[in-house]
Amino acid sequence: AQKVTQAQTEISVVEKEDVTLDCVYETRDTTYYLFWYKQPPSGELVFLIRRNSFDEQNEISGRYSWNFQKSTSSFNFTITASQVVDSAVYFCALSPSYNTDKLIFGTGTRLQVFP
Amino acid sequence: EADIYQTPRYLVIGTGKKITLECSQTMGHDKMYWYQQDPGMELHLIHYSYGVNSTEKGDLSSESTVSRIRTEHFPLTLESARPSHTSQYLCASSVQRLAGETQYFGPGTRLLVL
Repeated sequence: AQKVTQAQTEISVVEKEDVTLDCVYETRDTTYYLFWYKQPPSGELVFLIRRNSFDEQNEISGRYSWNFQKSTSSFNFTITASQVVDSAVYFCALSPSYNTDKLIFGTGTRLQVFP
Repeated sequence: EADIYQTPRYLVIGTGKKITLECSQTMGHDKMYWYQQDPGMELHLIHYSYGVNSTEKGDLSSESTVSRIRTEHFPLTLESARPSHTSQYLCASSVQRLAGETQYFGPGTRLLVL
């Protein structure tokens, strides 16, 4: 079975704090893709990152970083020095390599950053 | 990276009305998708298409129908709207590249059926 779990339903932080959003996945596939999307209050889903399962290198993009650990089936997302504009719902998603257009979403984590 | 448009952005309509939610993309992507998003945030795939004249039902059963007559256009229709159809509807498109496949989403349509 394929499943994505985002155990944190809601997180509140004060601006400039670092925050980590957890994502744990389940799959029997040996190759797969992992994604993070951001959904601001305006409603659109904004693509942030795609990671292939055979690439375990962590990635940094500005204040965003992603920690992929196959051993624990986790793909966590950290925002450094959070800002009010980071307030959004963040979704982690998984797609099997044999059906790369099938996205399995987690239930999302709502992040509120207060000034 | 992807230009996907959805209209209307917001729609309030009475029970029993027929509605069509529009989705267009200018990227020439073959694959397109419709998701329904609960107020509780979960996303559910309701329809997808691999190209012109291809339509498939997704994981969540839906009373809506879709069509794909042109590559860039993937409208969703509800013949008779009901309050249970109140939701946000998100359209997406994707293309397969060597590095993998990514779905890009439109801004969504928030539908309220009274």
